[in-house]
Amino acid sequence: DAGITQSPRHKVTETGTPVTLRCHQTENHRYMYWYRQDPGHGLRLIHYSYGVKDTDKGEVSDGYSVSRSKTEDFLLTLESATSSQTSVYFCAISETGVLRELFFGSGTQLSVL
Amino acid sequence: DAKTTQPNSMESNEEEPVHLPCNHSTISGTDYIHWYRQLPSQGPEYVIHGLTSNVNNRMASLAIAEDRKSSTLILHRATLRDAAVYYCILRGSQGNLIFGKGTKLSVKP
Repeated sequence: DAGITQSPRHKVTETGTPVTLRCHQTENHRYMYWYRQDPGHGLRLIHYSYGVKDTDKGEVSDGYSVSRSKTEDFLLTLESATSSQTSVYFCAISETGVLRELFFGSGTQLSVL
Repeated sequence: DAKTTQPNSMESNEEEPVHLPCNHSTISGTDYIHWYRQLPSQGPEYVIHGLTSNVNNRMASLAIAEDRKSSTLILHRATLRDAAVYYCILRGSQGNLIFGKGTKLSVKP
């Protein structure tokens, strides 16, 4: 299995509180991605990174920010969590972009009450 | 971004071949076709990808139509462990994978 660790695995929080999810990799892959998965929507890309301090928006980036200060860590922050952000969040990594396979983490189940 | 269309669900019997179809009529000439699958309570995993020619690996085969507007993922002998949601994906305009809803494959013993 690719060395990807997502933390926490489960989190329950209240509306309006800030939340940070962490993705840590040991593969030294250049690309990192955050997806969310909701029933009826499949996986949707939130943000991605193509190098340290290099990030870009995905299709559902509103309400989310990311940071990548080290190759191995990619953080996803919900500045003020809302109930619509209740979801399963997956981190993925890739060596050289989309033409190489993505390796996914085990996911973080986030519930915003 | 080019989109894909897959059946919502399919059933198969164990140890029989399974053909999972995907339509992508708006595919561009440089789009690769990727397949991933997601087992229950896990993240997606890579299955196979191709551009124009048919592709084989240890997990599956990918048959691509000559006009590239459709493709078929072939599992040669389905096992119970192959029960999953299978995603047919094209590269998005940002260069990223855009997942649709996929096909839920059930395998009966």
